[in-house]
Amino acid sequence: EPEVTQTPSHQVTQMGQEVILRCVPISNHLYFYWYRQILGQKVEFLVSFYNNEISEKSEIFDDQFSVERPDGSNFTLKIRSTKLEDSAMYFCASSADSYEQYFGPGTRLTVT
Amino acid sequence: QKEVEQNSGPLSVPEGAIASLNCTYSDRGSQSFFWYRQYSGKSPELIMFIYSNGDKEDGRFTAQLNKASQYVSLLIRDSQPSDSATYLCAVRSSASKIIFGSGTRLSIRP
Repeated sequence: EPEVTQTPSHQVTQMGQEVILRCVPISNHLYFYWYRQILGQKVEFLVSFYNNEISEKSEIFDDQFSVERPDGSNFTLKIRSTKLEDSAMYFCASSADSYEQYFGPGTRLTVT
Repeated sequence: QKEVEQNSGPLSVPEGAIASLNCTYSDRGSQSFFWYRQYSGKSPELIMFIYSNGDKEDGRFTAQLNKASQYVSLLIRDSQPSDSATYLCAVRSSASKIIFGSGTRLSIRP
């Protein structure tokens, strides 16, 4: 069964550093998303991406965040200058239409 | 502010019984509703979705939707220990954004 994959599974970085989180969506899916989940809290929407552009973003997704689909398979989330409060699980998701979203295993980001 | 509310639990159900999980949402215009299962330290796994009023069954799972009451529920029949997890109710609030509830922790006791 096709799956969303994410790398790395765990990323440790120092405050102020840039990080890039990588995702490979399910191959025939057209819609891509990033969510985050701070430990013990709700899953929160960050951004959706369709047809090579951002469809929607939340208030969390400020100028420190960017997304890119650099080739036909990868979908990346970049955080330019990480803060302690960016520590969370980051989930990539994809969908064939804009309905059912399937999540990857996540990247645990730890900012020290 | 669009909200999705769930009882955090834990909900303890004996093995073999029916587990009933409930969710309310604030946006009357919502059209699509999802149940995800999340094991500790893992990602959300889509188990059911429902778009129309009424019941939708898939194996041991039944999703129920009542748009007039802004209420969604998930029934799990013949509960198994492997069903012990946090169940997340989610509502599509716009073309691409899903809003999640905080989840109900379900524990199936042998």
